[in-house]
Order: sequence, then C-alpha cells, then structure tokens
Amino acid sequence: EVQLAESGGGLIQPGGSLRLSCVGSGFTFSKYEMNWVRQGPGKGLEWISYISPVTNTVYYADSAKGRFTISRDNDINSLYLQMTSLRAEDTAVYYCWGRGYDRSGYFDLWGPGTLVTVSS
Amino acid sequence: DIQMTQSPSSLSASVGDRITINCRASQNIGNLLNWYQQKPGKAPKLLIYAATSLQTGVPSRFSGSGSGTDFTLTISSLQPEDFASYYCQQIYRISQVTFGGGTKVEIK
Repeated sequence: EVQLAESGGGLIQPGGSLRLSCVGSGFTFSKYEMNWVRQGPGKGLEWISYISPVTNTVYYADSAKGRFTISRDNDINSLYLQMTSLRAEDTAVYYCWGRGYDRSGYFDLWGPGTLVTVSS
Repeated sequence: DIQMTQSPSSLSASVGDRITINCRASQNIGNLLNWYQQKPGKAPKLLIYAATSLQTGVPSRFSGSGSGTDFTLTISSLQPEDFASYYCQQIYRISQVTFGGGTKVEIK
C-alpha cells in the first residue's frame, strides 16, 4: 500500500524542541518532492517547508525560518522536521506531503498527521 | 508571497445542488493550482490538479476551471459525502506554497 506515516508529535513546553519523522512505503520515495504542512486547531492549512528529491534544496515559510530544519534520508524512505524554540502558536497537526509527476500522472500523497501541542 | 483568496468561506447547500467555490491569486500563476477536499480529522485529499485535471479516482461531478488569477471548483450534483471543507493551493512558487482560507460546505 502506498502511504506516508508521521510520528514524533506530543506535548512540549514552550521553548522546547521536537523532531517529527515521516516514513514512506509502497512507492519510490526518492523520486518525489516532500513538504511539511500544518493545521492549527480550527484553522486552515499552512505550508511549512519543502525539500527536493535528491539535491536537498530546502525552503521554509517565514514562520519556520531559523527555528525548523527539514531533512530527508532516501535510503530509509524518511523525512524529518526538527523544530526548536517552539511557541504556543506552533500547536497544530503536522502533515507530511509528497508530490510530483510520474508515468501514472500527478502523484500527491499525505500522511494522516501527527499532533504537536505546545503548552506549559 | 502569492496570496490565495477563496470565497465563500462557508456555504449551505442541499443534496443534488450545483455549487461553485472561487479562488483568486494575487498574481498570475498560470494553471499551477490544485483543489483539495478535507473531512474532519483527516488529511486533505487531492481532487483537481493543474487547475482542470481530475485526479485519478475522483468522481466526475467535480471539475475545475480557470487560469491566470481566477479559478473555480464546481460540484455538479452535491452528494452526502461531499459535505466537507475545500482548499485551493498554488504551487507556482514551490518555495512558498500557499493555500486559500478554505470553504466549508454544510448541509442546508
């Protein structure tokens, strides 16, 4: 089955750090662009970060710059988001999202999400 | 950043109704626009990519139109399973992907 699965969320105090992971299976992980997207409680979708398939070109939303670091390990089909200096406004469900074009057409895959709660 | 303005933010409709959701980009994004459906507690699901292309497995009652700055998602005959939130997304600038604010479709 083609899927993504996030882990690493939980309750963390303001100022703390957390590392999210996302593992892909059932597809060639190294072919696709990967992103992190989050959704605060009762809010819309917010793109956080991007990493290219192989060259590791990365981009960040202003809300993540300087605090979050995206990385990937194609050998173990894994995507990561290292989050530091966490704030209450970082409380959200974090989704990993892969996309790209292949022989079948447009590939677009999301994980079920992992909840991060920043609170004292 | 490219701003995506989606309207309406919510709408009430009945089963069988035809509905349209609009999305406007703050600059020309060509056809690099996607539409997603999201149900409570679930990840977004892609409906339309490249503004007008129906994703595999998505019912044909969903359609997308537009290019440049103005885009529309149409559901030709609303079904019970279509009551959800819908988001547009621009991928013209992959260094700053942005979503519309969302449209919640509720039962009248």
